[in-house]
Amino acid sequence: QVQLQESGPGLVKPLETLSVTCSVSGGSVRSISYYWSWIRQPPGKGLEWIGYIDYNGNANYNPSLKSRVTMSADTSKNQLSLTLSSVTAADTAVYYCTRDPVMCADGRCFVGYFDPWGQGTLVTVSS
Amino acid sequence: ETVLTQSPGTLSLSQGQRATLSCRASQFVTSNHLAWYQQRPGQAPRLLIYGASIRATGIPDRFSGSGSGTDFTLIINRLEPEDFAEYYCQQYGNSPWTFGQGTRVEI
Repeated sequence: QVQLQESGPGLVKPLETLSVTCSVSGGSVRSISYYWSWIRQPPGKGLEWIGYIDYNGNANYNPSLKSRVTMSADTSKNQLSLTLSSVTAADTAVYYCTRDPVMCADGRCFVGYFDPWGQGTLVTVSS
Repeated sequence: ETVLTQSPGTLSLSQGQRATLSCRASQFVTSNHLAWYQQRPGQAPRLLIYGASIRATGIPDRFSGSGSGTDFTLIINRLEPEDFAEYYCQQYGNSPWTFGQGTRVEI
């Protein structure tokens, strides 16, 4: 059974770069059956999809964050990484990593729902 | 982007009652690619439904999803104490993937 565990710095200063890592156990980030997403949730607010990375290392980002986001995968450590540059207080949130199953039917494949989720890591942006 | 509007914002019910949650999309959701998640306080969200009506592994059959196009519904029959939580819909038919703002089911 796959498990996802996020880790992060806890506190980041404004205009600096936020870096969060997700360690995957019980499954491989190279599996062709899954993509991997990052999602965030500001305290007391809703959910925002940040983007995903696929098994080839190709990434797709939410246009709202695209200019500041980079996602990568370290296959040797079976880890995923998220960096977000030039952060502000609006980037304060719990950051989740998720596994996104690739589903195929009638010759077409799609991805886009999230199962499971890590427990999340809170990153606060403050001086 | 596709905006999802959930209603009501809060649903106040008793154990054993039925909860009906609505999710309306600002544009057609391709292939009914709509999911529902449950989030209990202090926990990560958990997948309940995908493909608008397919229950995820281990989800009790008192949870059911329906709908197509732009209107989707999550029904929770016979509310149990552990069902009182926040519920989010999410569409993955159109990029970027988006979430609704949530419905709180409270006692």
